[in-house]
Amino acid sequence: ETGVTQSPTHLIKTRGQQVTLRCSSQSGHNTVSWYQQALGQGPQFIFQYYREEENGRGNFPPRFSGLQFPNYSSELNVNALELDDSALYLCASSKTGPGRELFFGEGSRLTVL
Amino acid sequence: EDQVTQSPEALRLQEGESSSLNCSYTVSGLRGLFWYRQDPGKGPEFLFTLYSAGEEKEKERLKATLTKKESFLHITAPKPEDSATYLCAVQAGDYKLSFGAGTTVTVRA
Repeated sequence: ETGVTQSPTHLIKTRGQQVTLRCSSQSGHNTVSWYQQALGQGPQFIFQYYREEENGRGNFPPRFSGLQFPNYSSELNVNALELDDSALYLCASSKTGPGRELFFGEGSRLTVL
Repeated sequence: EDQVTQSPEALRLQEGESSSLNCSYTVSGLRGLFWYRQDPGKGPEFLFTLYSAGEEKEKERLKATLTKKESFLHITAPKPEDSATYLCAVQAGDYKLSFGAGTTVTVRA
């Protein structure tokens, strides 16, 4: 069984640039969600995708956007990067339904200079 | 809004010294309470899901319990490899996980 994989693992951008992060879901999972984890804090929910549509969003501005593809892989796009966007971005996949466990990838560490 | 508070923030233990971590929560319509382990620079690793008050689950030296307002993660006779940050999260009707800030556990040999 293949777990959740994310790329790239590390990247450095400058303020105002755009970034795309990628995620492959665990086999058998059809729901993908993205979380932002700042240093020393717990992960914060960004949004969730099911059947290629966003079906839940946290308190993040519209410059955070995403996609889910037919094979359940996903992308997180962030436009107009700000210094505060520096964080570990985590992708999680699960089967659909309440109470389902989320399985996380190792994350993409984004540094904005 | 869902709230999750974990205590203590940090815990230093001697190998073999058992202890407990606390997770207090406020949520409307709990669908599940989750415990994760996170090593530095890595993604959270799933440990347990608890669904209703009174439920308990065990895995090796870890035991999680749940009441209507809080959950405990008991670490029995910890080893240095149990050193990590332990995250608690709750899930309500909209399926997102709301996490606490975590408890960082350091076990000295």
